[in-house]
Amino acid sequence: DTGVSQNPRHKITKRGQNVTFRCDPISEHNRLYWYRQTLGQGPEFLTYFQNEAQLEKSRLLSDRFSAERPKGSFSTLEIQRTEQGDSAMYLCASSFRTSTSTDTQYFGPGTRLTVL
Amino acid sequence: AQSVAQPEDQVNVAEGNPLTVKCTYSVSGNPYLFWYVQYPNRGLQFLLKYITGDNLVKGSYGFEAEFNKSQTSFHLKKPSALVSDSALYFCAVRDLNTGFQKLVFGTGTRLLVSP
Repeated sequence: DTGVSQNPRHKITKRGQNVTFRCDPISEHNRLYWYRQTLGQGPEFLTYFQNEAQLEKSRLLSDRFSAERPKGSFSTLEIQRTEQGDSAMYLCASSFRTSTSTDTQYFGPGTRLTVL
Repeated sequence: AQSVAQPEDQVNVAEGNPLTVKCTYSVSGNPYLFWYVQYPNRGLQFLLKYITGDNLVKGSYGFEAEFNKSQTSFHLKKPSALVSDSALYFCAVRDLNTGFQKLVFGTGTRLLVSP
């Protein structure tokens, strides 16, 4: 049984560059979430997919951020024109939708982004 | 809007002693509450959750949590702490009445268990 995987685990980039992260959910999990965690804070919700449909987006997800889940399996999160304020841990989680919608989110190890 | 408060940045306890990590929440509807643990440079590990039913919820690694509706609290407890329990603990809430799936997390409490 494999958990949620994320790649890369670490990314260092220069300000203004674009970066893309990948998340592979637990097999057969139909829901996928992205969160961002900065130092000393709890994770903050960014966006959520059910299958390939993006159903919720936080206002934290500025127009420089885009997330996709094209076939309802893995997901990518792209940040364009990175800024130093984007430096954070980006966490992916997945869950299996239940009939009562009381599913549990399981998190991956995260991708740590450092913008120089 | 949903919110979670973890009033203690750090909790110190000696190995073998009971531990409590506090959490209070605010939702307009029915709460769906979670505890997660985070080890250094790792993602979050699910410990336990409360939806409805018995107010005392048992989870992984001997942890349990007590839901108190009148005090809007969901404190994490363990009867006997281990040094290996030292980590960062997060409480999270989802409002079941909103239909939204996002979890709202507290700022975390660092647990330090001394030998």
